[in-house]
Amino acid sequence: DAKTTQPTSMDCAEGRAANLPCNHSTISGNEYVYWYRQIHSQGPQYIIHGLKNNETNEMASLIITEDRKSSTLILPHATLRDTAVYYCIVRVAGYSGAGSYQLTFGKGTKLSVIP
Amino acid sequence: SAVISQKPSRDICQRGTSLTIQCQVDSQVTMMFWYRQQPGQSLTLIATANQGSEATYESGFVIDKFPISRPNLTFSTLTVSNMSPEDSSIYLCSAREGSSDIQYFGAGTRLSVL
Repeated sequence: DAKTTQPTSMDCAEGRAANLPCNHSTISGNEYVYWYRQIHSQGPQYIIHGLKNNETNEMASLIITEDRKSSTLILPHATLRDTAVYYCIVRVAGYSGAGSYQLTFGKGTKLSVIP
Repeated sequence: SAVISQKPSRDICQRGTSLTIQCQVDSQVTMMFWYRQQPGQSLTLIATANQGSEATYESGFVIDKFPISRPNLTFSTLTVSNMSPEDSSIYLCSAREGSSDIQYFGAGTRLSVL
């Protein structure tokens, strides 16, 4: 699976949009970009995933560049409850042989939402 | 989305003993995973547990230390055997929802070994 690079930490004012970048310059054509977050003392929570088109759900928007080498997770109106570590993960969706479906977690970005 | 329950939520154990962690999913799932999260670190996959077959362990993890059971499509257990203080971590269960290829996680078991 392709490796991702994320900033170690970011701050965002409450009520503003939080834009979390992720670089995945070695991504393959059949690899998806997944975003998870982990709020303190909880298990990781799925946020969103996409292949090449921008995606939006009730939690966030995912913007993937045309060359697919980077992406941005957008939380449109950050609240204090969005304070968490955000993980960007790249992997093939579906079965692709041994090790399929595994999620490889990096260090993620610690987002602090400031009142 | 699948709801995953883990028991116990936390435990304090003595060196040399074993602890079995239970993971219950509210729907049938083919694949379940066990992760370890050491203090201040990210998650590391221990093993993948498929119903009806032996668990597949990642490098650095062995069955004698972390035996796993997967008796049906909604339940799995992870045992941490012959514990030492280095085993103090959060252990997380995860299940893959086949139709959407999304993984859901339990809240984790916080283990402290004295």
